[in-house]
Amino acid sequence: AQSVTQLGSHVSVSEGALVLLRCNYSSSVPPYLFWYVQYPNQGLQLLLKYTTGATLVKGINGFEAEFKKSETSFHLTKPSAHMSDAAEYFCAVSDQRGYSTLTFGKGTMLLVSP
Amino acid sequence: SQTIHQWPATLVQPVGSPLSLECTVEGTSNPNLYWYRQAAGRGLQLLFYSVGIGQISSEVPQNLSASRPQDRQFILSSKKLLLSDSGFYLCAWSVLRDPTDTQYFGPGTRLTVL
Repeated sequence: AQSVTQLGSHVSVSEGALVLLRCNYSSSVPPYLFWYVQYPNQGLQLLLKYTTGATLVKGINGFEAEFKKSETSFHLTKPSAHMSDAAEYFCAVSDQRGYSTLTFGKGTMLLVSP
Repeated sequence: SQTIHQWPATLVQPVGSPLSLECTVEGTSNPNLYWYRQAAGRGLQLLFYSVGIGQISSEVPQNLSASRPQDRQFILSSKKLLLSDSGFYLCAWSVLRDPTDTQYFGPGTRLTVL
């Protein structure tokens, strides 16, 4: 069975600081990995995903994530936080069955202070 | 491009009343469809998924049911709501037989059961 662990239910940064949201996964097969963002009272928006190929994945809004197989990690980063980045972020893993496969982490709320 | 709609956006219902939430997808055919629930502090819980008309799989036992009367329509129902049914309900779709199962979410419905 696959699982996702997001370290820290809340992460606080100052505007302009580095954003680092941590995600570790377990999967019995090579995983597909995802990051989603959710703004208050909205649905989830796909930020980026890793399927195959380059392990450094760039997404929308200046975010990127690196797949590290040896560490079973897929941490999300952004060099400089903006106030508009304040939201909840979810990491997810897929086991390649093609349906009902996404397992989500519990989410990390990113707080950005001026 | 593909669009996913959910309605209503918000709903306040008394305990014991029926429920019907609707989700429709535009711009794609034969999608996989999903219903999730977010309850406070509990992350995303997959409720139902469907790989075709009339094909519904339930992930958790509860007093909710789902139906897919048309290819791009997914309905979540209950005959009698419980207080514990309160939450944010999200519909999602993915491309049939996409091995990555990349899911795209609707705007959600906020349900409050009083």
